[in-house]
Amino acid sequence: EAGVAQSPRYKIIEKRQSVAFWCNPISGHATLYWYQQILGQGPKLLIQFQNNGVVDDSQLPKDRFSAERLKGVDSTLKIQPAKLEDSAVYLCASRSAGWDTEAFFGQGTRLTVV
Amino acid sequence: AQSVTQPDIHITVSEGASLELRCNYSYGATPYLFWYVQSPGQGLQLLLKYFSGDTLVQGIKGFEAEFKRSQSSFNLRKPSVHWSDAAEYFCAVGAGNTDKLIFGTGTRLQVFP
Repeated sequence: EAGVAQSPRYKIIEKRQSVAFWCNPISGHATLYWYQQILGQGPKLLIQFQNNGVVDDSQLPKDRFSAERLKGVDSTLKIQPAKLEDSAVYLCASRSAGWDTEAFFGQGTRLTVV
Repeated sequence: AQSVTQPDIHITVSEGASLELRCNYSYGATPYLFWYVQSPGQGLQLLLKYFSGDTLVQGIKGFEAEFKRSQSSFNLRKPSVHWSDAAEYFCAVGAGNTDKLIFGTGTRLQVFP
């Protein structure tokens, strides 16, 4: 079974530029999460999708962050414009339907804003 | 809303010693609880999970955890630590009705030979 794929692995941009991250979840997984993990901290949930609908985006800075999940499969997370404090690892995870399932994580995208 | 507290930021143990990492959660209903491990530059790997039933759960790499409802805890244990266990450990709580998954701040484990 293929895992959660994320790209790119690394990205360096200047502040005020825009950036996009891509996630391909495990096939058939209805739930998709995006997390932000700042160095030395735990993953912080940014947004959760159930198929192509948003379940929770209460922690997403909507003035600069946006996310979509086209056709309930792949997802993209965008930051525009980026700030220095956005430097972090962005993790994507997916989970199949059912109350007793686990989330599988991708390797993450490390973003550095200079 | 659910939340997770990991009181220990950094723990150091000698190889071969026993280990216990603490996790306390807050959630109004029966929680789904997880422990994940993250090695440097790697994604998160599931060690073990609790959904229901036996409160002592076994995981991979010789880890176990015990769910104690009365203490709102889900502590991770290992009887004998190996140098390769050095990593960051995260406790997470899931909500059954929304599948929302919230992580603690993590505990960094350092192992001395």
